[in-house]
Amino acid sequence: EIVMTQSPVTLSVSPGERATLSCRASQSISNKLAWYQQKPGQTPRLLIYDSSTGATGTPARFSGSGSGTEFTLTISSLQSEDFAVYYCQHYNNWPWTFGQGTKVEIK
Amino acid sequence: EVQLVESGGGLVQPGGSLRLSCAASGFTFYTFNMGWVRQPPGKGLEWVSIVSPSGDRTYYADSVKGRFTISRDNSKNILYLQMNSLTAEDTALYYCAKRSPATGAIDSWGQGTLVTVSS
Repeated sequence: EIVMTQSPVTLSVSPGERATLSCRASQSISNKLAWYQQKPGQTPRLLIYDSSTGATGTPARFSGSGSGTEFTLTISSLQSEDFAVYYCQHYNNWPWTFGQGTKVEIK
Repeated sequence: EVQLVESGGGLVQPGGSLRLSCAASGFTFYTFNMGWVRQPPGKGLEWVSIVSPSGDRTYYADSVKGRFTISRDNSKNILYLQMNSLTAEDTALYYCAKRSPATGAIDSWGQGTLVTVSS
């Protein structure tokens, strides 16, 4: 099973600042990676798939990059609605697994 | 509009069974891989199981293999998860999930149904 490790666990950022979230896979997963956003009490929402492709409706301030084992989700200028938990998930081979999540909180 | 509506959750004793259902609408159900993802209270996400469009291929997380069975009824647009030998570690919100056709990403989620295993 591929283990997905996200860092940091919590990221404190001021509105308008840039946020950089990391996700590392325990073995190569090519670009088979998705990012999801989950706000309290809500269902997760797909932001990015295939490492860098924005899902329908994803604002342009969200961007993804990486391949192999190292991946990054960048939020260029944090808006109030972006404070949430973000999960990465690989789908290179079964079992697909999620990272433990990064909570982006207001600084 | 894609809609996924789960049902069947509830309180069950350890060792008991439950069957979850997910009623799908707004898309051609029989052409998509469907699955279940769970989230224990206050914790992260875990893929539980996925089934191919025709239902002939199924995959399970090691944590549920041999205890859970995923199936689908394409004539009724319903996805199922039969859960047996439940333990406290199975306590979670269970989401029905639709896999994006081109990737393994989940492009639609249900609202979830809560399963609580407790005596």
